[in-house]
Order: sequence, then C-alpha cells, then structure tokens
Amino acid sequence: EVQLVESGGGLVQPGRSLRLSCAVFEFTFADYALTWVRQAPGKGLEWVGFVRNKRSGGTTEYGASVKGRFTISRDDSKGIAYLRMSSLKIEDTAVYYCARFRQLSGTFLLDYWGRGTLVTVSS
Amino acid sequence: SYVLTQPPSVSVAPGKTARITCEGNNVGSLSVHWYQHQPGQAPVLVMSFDSDRPSEIPERISGSNSGNTATLTISGVEAGDEADYYCQVWDRSSDQVVFGGGTKLTVL
Repeated sequence: EVQLVESGGGLVQPGRSLRLSCAVFEFTFADYALTWVRQAPGKGLEWVGFVRNKRSGGTTEYGASVKGRFTISRDDSKGIAYLRMSSLKIEDTAVYYCARFRQLSGTFLLDYWGRGTLVTVSS
Repeated sequence: SYVLTQPPSVSVAPGKTARITCEGNNVGSLSVHWYQHQPGQAPVLVMSFDSDRPSEIPERISGSNSGNTATLTISGVEAGDEADYYCQVWDRSSDQVVFGGGTKLTVL
C-alpha cells in the first residue's frame, strides 16, 4: 500500500527555520515528483511547491507566498523528500501535507497524500 | 494567476444528490481533479481528468466539466460523504497547482 508519512512539525518562533520530512513507502520514489500542500487553521488547501523527479531534471517550483523562503529537496536513496522553511511567519502556521505528484497528459494530480504534520509559528 | 471558485457550503439530505461546482475561466479546456478531505485524515483523490473515478471510489460519485464550470456529483448521499471537497487544476502557463477554495458538504 502506497504511504507517505510527514514528520518534523512543531512550535517555532517567527523568523526561525524548520525542516519537514516526507518518507514514502511501497512505490519507487525516484520515478515520481513530490509536492507539498498546506492548510492554515480554518482555511482551504494551499499549494506550497514541488520537486520533479531526476529524469525530469529534479527542478522545483513554488507558490508565490513561499517562494524565496521555502526549499524542497529529495533523497531518492532514502525515499525521503524535505521541505526547508526559513524566515517563518505567523501566517505559515498550518498543517503541511506531502503528496505523490503525477504528471499525466499535460496535467499534474496528487494521487496519494500523507496525514500531515502541524507547524505552529508563534513567539 | 488562474482562479477556481467553489461555493463555501452545500447541504443535502441523505439519499439525495449533491452537486459541487468549480468555476474558472474556460475551465472546460483544462483537466479538473477533485479531492475529498475529512477532518484529521489525509485528503483522497476522488475524481481525475474531469470524470475518471479511481477504482476504490463508489460509482455514485461522478464528474463533468464544460465551459466555465466543472461539477462533482454525489448521488445517494450518505453520512460518510460529509467532508470538504476541493477542485484542482494545473496552470501550465505558470507551472502552478491551483486549488479551489473548497466546499463543505453537510449531510442533513
């Protein structure tokens, strides 16, 4: 059964950094892109960014609200993706989800998701 | 950037049909995907490419997309269908994922 498990969330002060991890199971991680999505309290889903697989260049794309502060990376040998969050703001408080990101017929969809990890930015 | 608009809430009695809309400029020219999100759970893909249903999703859930509106239809609504539903497209002009604002389905 395909699974994704996020970890690394917690309480962090504004301006500090935090790194989340996403461990994947039961699929060949190297074959897929991986994306991060967040949900602030009482709000809807917001796309954070994604990392392509190595075959597609391993490059990244980010949403406007996190571009320049967040960095997504991957370690295919370990089956883990990372979300490095810097210069954190109170409005970054959210549950962060990782999801397998499939490219099919010119579109991308998120076919398996993790349960999320909570990040709280507060002094 | 591309915008998808959903109604904040839809309410329906058990056994009836719920229709959740997702509006966007010429969204019919894009592939729309739908996710169900129940509190504390991982979101689940319930419809891809407008109307392709994953094998584990019941047949009473269907989708359509034309013009400026995509629609997720749930027939014979059950209490277990109560959740937030999100539509999503890939905006290739900006290499961005776009989600609708989400619709809370309430079963009366």
